[in-house]
Order: sequence, then structure tokens, then C-alpha cells
Amino acid sequence: GAVVSQHPSRVICKSGTSVKIECRSLDFQATTMFWYRQFPKQSLMLMATSNEGSKATYEQGVEKDKFLINHASLTLSTLTVTSAHPEDSSFYICSARDLGSGAGNTIYFGEGSWLTVV
Amino acid sequence: RKEVEQDPGPFNVPEGATVAFNCTYSNSASQSFFWYRQDCRKEPKLLMSVYSSGNEDGRFTAQLNRASQYISLLIRDSKLSDSATYLCVVTMGLDMRFGAGTRLTVKP
Repeated sequence: GAVVSQHPSRVICKSGTSVKIECRSLDFQATTMFWYRQFPKQSLMLMATSNEGSKATYEQGVEKDKFLINHASLTLSTLTVTSAHPEDSSFYICSARDLGSGAGNTIYFGEGSWLTVV
Repeated sequence: RKEVEQDPGPFNVPEGATVAFNCTYSNSASQSFFWYRQDCRKEPKLLMSVYSSGNEDGRFTAQLNRASQYISLLIRDSKLSDSATYLCVVTMGLDMRFGAGTRLTVKP
């Protein structure tokens, strides 16, 4: 079935550096992908909607200059956390919907990426 | 008011118990509804879609009430392996909204 792959699964970076997380739809084309952040014991929080070939749509309170999103192809979206700080340490998850025939509105999630900023 | 609201939980139940979760949504134009399960430190995984007529999958029953704008999930004969956080998801077009999740712990 459809799969969304996310990489890396875990990353540790130094404060002030940038980290890129990739989200790939392996079996279907995704014109829209979604990026979430989840702090321990808290709910998924939508950060932004990534649109292929156009600018991402950010949720209120999410800094677009800090969380750069690029959706250059129908199967790949990237999230770059720029100038990372310890408070950016979190679980980042992407998702995509397979709107192809027979797939209905199924939402698939990547495996998630644990970011630790030290 | 949040767009999607769930029972806050946590729910701590013994094995074999029946437990129900509710989720309300604010947008009456919402089109599709789902229950997802999220295990600790993992990504959410689809548990079941929710259809207007209600649907059942083994020990799990999902119902939708469009007039009152809520969906529910009933788990019968709880197993230890049912311990997880259950998220309701509501979509309209490409827009998706998650509930905060309800944590369930099934104890021996």
C-alpha cells in the first residue's frame, strides 16, 4: 500500500545549526503534504501545509523563516529547522493524502523525526 | 473553541472493559472522519474511518452524528495492547484537523 517515508528518524544537532527533514511519498503523488510537531505527552500540532510548486501555508504562530518548507516535486517535501534552539527539540511528523482512485481520503504519516538540539 | 475536541482522558480501564471516546467538531461542512491510534513515540496509524451509517471492525465500533457534530469510538473487551492515544481526525477538502487525543491505558 501507499507509504510515506521520513528521514532522518533521529537527529541531534548543535544549537544554531540547521537541520533538514525529508518526507517522501513512495507509492503515490502528493500535491499536498502536512508537517506537524509533537512535544512529549502533547497532541500533534499542525505547523504548515506544503504545496507542490508553491509556497507553504503556515499555521498561526509558526515562524515561516525559521521552519522552511520546500515541496519541489510531487513526492518530496522538506522541512528545514533553521538556527535550531533547544526548545525546537521535538517529534516532527509529516503526512500526505493519497487521492488516487480507490484510495479514498486515507492519510498516511511518515515515521517521524526526533530532533534533539543540544 | 477548538475545531476538533476530544475527551481529555486519560482513561484507565481494566482488561475486558468497554470504553468509549467522543470527539466533537465545529465545522458542519466537514466531510470525512477518522480515528487514528498513536503509540508512544511513534507516528499515528489509521484505526478506522467513520461512516455516516456507523461501522464496526472487530471490537471497535465507530459512529458519526452529523446533526450533533460528533464522532465516537467504542472499544469492547479491552486488551492490554489497546493502550495508546486515540486521535480523531476531521477533514474538509485537503484540510485536516486533529483532536488533542485521548490516552487509554488498559491494565491487567
